[in-house]
Amino acid sequence: QTVVTQEPSFSVSPGGTVTFTCGLSSGSVSISYYPSWYHQTPGQAPRTLIYNTNTRSSGVPDRFSGSIFGNKAALTITGAQADDESDYYCVLYMGSGVSVFGGGTKLTVL
Amino acid sequence: QVTLKESGPVLVKPTETLTLTCTVSGFSLSSARMGVSWIRQPPGQALEWLAHIFSNDEKSYSTSLKSRLTISKDTSKSQVVLTMTNMDPVDTATYYCARIRGPYSDGWYYFDYWGQGTLVTVSS
Repeated sequence: QTVVTQEPSFSVSPGGTVTFTCGLSSGSVSISYYPSWYHQTPGQAPRTLIYNTNTRSSGVPDRFSGSIFGNKAALTITGAQADDESDYYCVLYMGSGVSVFGGGTKLTVL
Repeated sequence: QVTLKESGPVLVKPTETLTLTCTVSGFSLSSARMGVSWIRQPPGQALEWLAHIFSNDEKSYSTSLKSRLTISKDTSKSQVVLTMTNMDPVDTATYYCARIRGPYSDGWYYFDYWGQGTLVTVSS
């Protein structure tokens, strides 16, 4: 079974830039996987950030951006803020109606 | 305003069948290119997609859980129901429903609104 991989954790300084990636245990991620990104703070429901690789969800500030970086999907946060501290999940569409979540990346802002 | 609210038992016993209901408002389950998905999250672990149903009644299930899951909808009640058979303690998790937009070309979709989730514990 294909596994969607994410870095377990990342740290960034306030005002800094960070890029998370979303890969596959076998193969490369392309726009054909329609990657999407979600964030979740402890005890809260996830919230949608990005879909279809680089389209921001309504109300998401433009310091969040999505792309394909090499053979992975990527989420970049520029000008990190304290309330960006959260878990970030990517989802890849595998076809035939099936989506798979990555294991999540825990972002610390310090 | 789009809202989704999960409801169901807090505690189920091993081998029992879990039935969860997602009640939606702010949109119709018959609206084109919309649907509802179920996702779960064991305590301290990652999210896991389970199933979805679109307005055209198209359904899909997680490959690993397909034999245990059934999803259905009652458009008149604005409800989507997920049943999971043969529950086990490893199925202890917060279960979320989310609105999905799609399917688009190639069948892809994404989650845009999420419910607050309901914690289900499996224990004897």
